Amino acid sequence: KQEVTQIPAALSVPEGENLVLNCSFTDSAIYNLQWFRQDPGKGLTSLLLIQSSQREQTSGRLNASLDKSSGRSTLYIAASQPGDSATYLCAATGANSKLTFGKGITLSVRP
Amino acid sequence: GAVVSQHPSRVICKSGTSVKIECRSLDFQATTMFWYRQFPKQSLMLMATSNEGSKATYEQGVEKDKFLINHASLTLSTLTVTSAHPEDSSFYICSARDVRWGLETQYFGPGTRLLVL
Repeated sequence: KQEVTQIPAALSVPEGENLVLNCSFTDSAIYNLQWFRQDPGKGLTSLLLIQSSQREQTSGRLNASLDKSSGRSTLYIAASQPGDSATYLCAATGANSKLTFGKGITLSVRP
Repeated sequence: GAVVSQHPSRVICKSGTSVKIECRSLDFQATTMFWYRQFPKQSLMLMATSNEGSKATYEQGVEKDKFLINHASLTLSTLTVTSAHPEDSSFYICSARDVRWGLETQYFGPGTRLLVL
């Protein structure tokens, strides 16, 4: 059974800092890995999707990497802003298109 | 990206009543949709896989008679919480599987917040 872990559960950084959010998964037989953003009381916003054959994806200030062999993915946020404050979830897609989510990292960017 | 809608966005009901939540894929056909539940400060947990024209597949521990799923068309899946109780209060999110362009992606709805009094 796939398990996805995100540590730490919460992170507070000053504005402007570059930061890395970590995600690990136990079963490397994944179809893809996605990073989502969730604001309080809201749904999910898809940030980046990395296919299993890819190593990384970039969108603006965000860069996500995937290392299937080690069961790890990272989300890099450059020049963080207060508007980046949210919960970031990673999810691994496995057999039958089922997503397994981590518990998320709640990020707070201080002005 | 593709759009998935959910209705209603919020619902408050009395204990014992049934609540129906709709999930629609607005610009693509989805033979497969998924229903998730998220309790406060917890992650999303998959409840069931909704298959168009056939029975839903439920995850272990999810009562199929309590959470009725109907995927009657290629753009609509419904989740009915029957005889809802306060412990069913949660955030319910659906996703629709998109297999166009040779790549598989799931698009998520905005969620439905259910409060059972």
